[in-house]
Amino acid sequence: EVHLVESGGGLVKPGESLILSCAASGFIFTSYTMNWVRQAPGKGLEWVASISGGYRDLYYADSLKGRFTISRDDGSDLLYLRMDSLRAEDTAVYYCARVFGTARDYWGQGTLVTVSS
Amino acid sequence: SYVLIQSPSVSVAPGQTARVTCGGNNIGTMSVHWYQQKPGLAPVLVVYDNSDRPSGIPERFSGSNSGNTATLTISRVEAGDEADYFCQVWHGDSEHVIFGGGTKLTVL
Repeated sequence: EVHLVESGGGLVKPGESLILSCAASGFIFTSYTMNWVRQAPGKGLEWVASISGGYRDLYYADSLKGRFTISRDDGSDLLYLRMDSLRAEDTAVYYCARVFGTARDYWGQGTLVTVSS
Repeated sequence: SYVLIQSPSVSVAPGQTARVTCGGNNIGTMSVHWYQQKPGLAPVLVVYDNSDRPSGIPERFSGSNSGNTATLTISRVEAGDEADYFCQVWHGDSEHVIFGGGTKLTVL
């Protein structure tokens, strides 16, 4: 059974950095593109970034490129999101999700990031 | 940038049919995916590639896509279908994942 478990969220001050992790199990991790999607409180879904197995392809939302970095450790089945220079508007639940074709077929439970002074 | 437009809300009585639409320029040339999200929970894929259903999703959920509009149809609506529904495409020209703004389905 596919499982995705995010961790690393919490309360941070504006300008600080944070690294989120997503532990994957139940499938051959290296064979799948993975991504991060976020959802601000009471708002819709916003795609953040995607990374293919073996780091062949990296994609970022235009508004986040330069501050956020997606990476993965295929040997440990882990997905990461490094977030720098955090702003209040980055406050959201961050989900990792597996990519199936161009859909997202499995999602984690999400981890909440709150940026506030 | 490519934009997907969804109506903010749709209301339907139990047992009736709900239609949630997703508008986009020439969306009929793309693969559209639909997610259901209940309060406090992660999204769940209910339709992918316009009209396919993942295993475990009831046949009551179906999808279509043509021209500038994709539609998620929920037949014989139940109280448990009350949720937010989001459409999504991969926009190849920009290499971006695009989500619609979401539609809140209320079961009266």
